Amino acid sequence: NAGVTQTPKFQVLKTGQSMTLQCAQDMNHEYMSWYRQDPGMGLRLIHYSVGAGITDQGEVPNGYNVSRSTTEDFPLRLLSAAPSQTSVYFCASSPGNPSTEAFFGQGTRLTVV
Amino acid sequence: GQNIDQPTEMTATEGAIVQINCTYQTSGFNGLFWYQQHAGEAPTFLSYNVLDGLEEKGRFSSFLSRSKGYSYLLLKELQMKDSASYLCAVRENQAGTALIFGKGTTLSVSS
Repeated sequence: NAGVTQTPKFQVLKTGQSMTLQCAQDMNHEYMSWYRQDPGMGLRLIHYSVGAGITDQGEVPNGYNVSRSTTEDFPLRLLSAAPSQTSVYFCASSPGNPSTEAFFGQGTRLTVV
Repeated sequence: GQNIDQPTEMTATEGAIVQINCTYQTSGFNGLFWYQQHAGEAPTFLSYNVLDGLEEKGRFSSFLSRSKGYSYLLLKELQMKDSASYLCAVRENQAGTALIFGKGTTLSVSS
């Protein structure tokens, strides 16, 4: 069972470069989200989606774009990377049942130099 | 505004019981989750509360009081492998994965 798959696992970017963090789930979950985790800050919600074609902003959306063209995929785009975006990024998915937990991918460790 | 508070660090010994508290102030409430996260790994689900009261699952129990904006996670018969961060998270609306997390409590279990 693949679950939630994030690629790449590690990435180094130069300031100003753009890139897309990939997230795919094979559980036919409706809900997907992106979080970033920084030391001492916990997990912070960047963007989330309640279904294909529907996205919304979380706590810290600035500098990031998302789209949800299929149920399976929820990519996160960094338009112009900044050192402040150095972080570990987690993607999560869950089914429509509100009592069911979110399943997390293994994370992408991004460094912007 | 949104605020979820939990202690930064806790220590305990093997075999003991530890209680990790979480207080929250959020714009909505549609459930409270506890996750465990070992260093360098993804969070994994421990428990879910949406109604007041205690939910028990093996060595782990979680309690919720919605009127007080308060929850705790109780870990019994502590083992070394329980050394990890414990994350309290509130879901504010119907969007299942739109969770607001506290900063986490790092638990160190010693022998």
